[in-house]
Amino acid sequence: TQLLEQSPQFLSIQEGENLTVYCNSSSVFSSLQWYRQEPGEGPVLLVTVVTGGEVKKLKRLTFQFGDARKDSSLHITAAQTGDTGLYLCAGLYDKVIFGPGTSLSVIP
Amino acid sequence: EPEVTQTPSHQVTQMGQEVILRCVPISNHLYFYWYRQILGQKVEFLVSFYNNEISEKSEIFDDQFSVERPDGSNFTLKIRSTKLEDSAMYFCASSLTGNTEAFFGQGTRLTVV
Repeated sequence: TQLLEQSPQFLSIQEGENLTVYCNSSSVFSSLQWYRQEPGEGPVLLVTVVTGGEVKKLKRLTFQFGDARKDSSLHITAAQTGDTGLYLCAGLYDKVIFGPGTSLSVIP
Repeated sequence: EPEVTQTPSHQVTQMGQEVILRCVPISNHLYFYWYRQILGQKVEFLVSFYNNEISEKSEIFDDQFSVERPDGSNFTLKIRSTKLEDSAMYFCASSLTGNTEAFFGQGTRLTVV
């Protein structure tokens, strides 16, 4: 059974602050995705990381895949209120397996 | 941009009734999935479907559930006799291959009363 853990579960920060959320697993994944989900809507794919050690940047978001392909992090620089949402990491192992998510609240 | 579409967006049904949730995956994708998210909980895998048959299913996907691809475009999830605990958001997803990222629809909110 492939399980993904995410930390922290909840995060509330002021606009302009930086933050990092983490995704960990005991399993190796062929790739790992980060999704963002707003209430009542489906997960929206942000990025896919494939290679161990890979770093991808998407504007103020930086995603890193661990060397062993078991963990990943998402760093947001200068958070904005529009970043508020549920951030889900998901490992790909024949199907997408989701972590429990980090609920981010950015306060103006 | 291609997207996965789901209908209806919200369905209310009485306990014991059958419901069919509909999805139109991205047209050139070959793998199709259903996921469920109970309010406040994580997104859970239900079933994957490839080449007109189920390729994997979770323990949640019991005999009350079935999936079908009745034509070249639709992918449906049927719940034969709904229970209160089936109330959840149901997401359809599709991917090009079994090892590429999946794209999700906006979901169907199922409320069983």
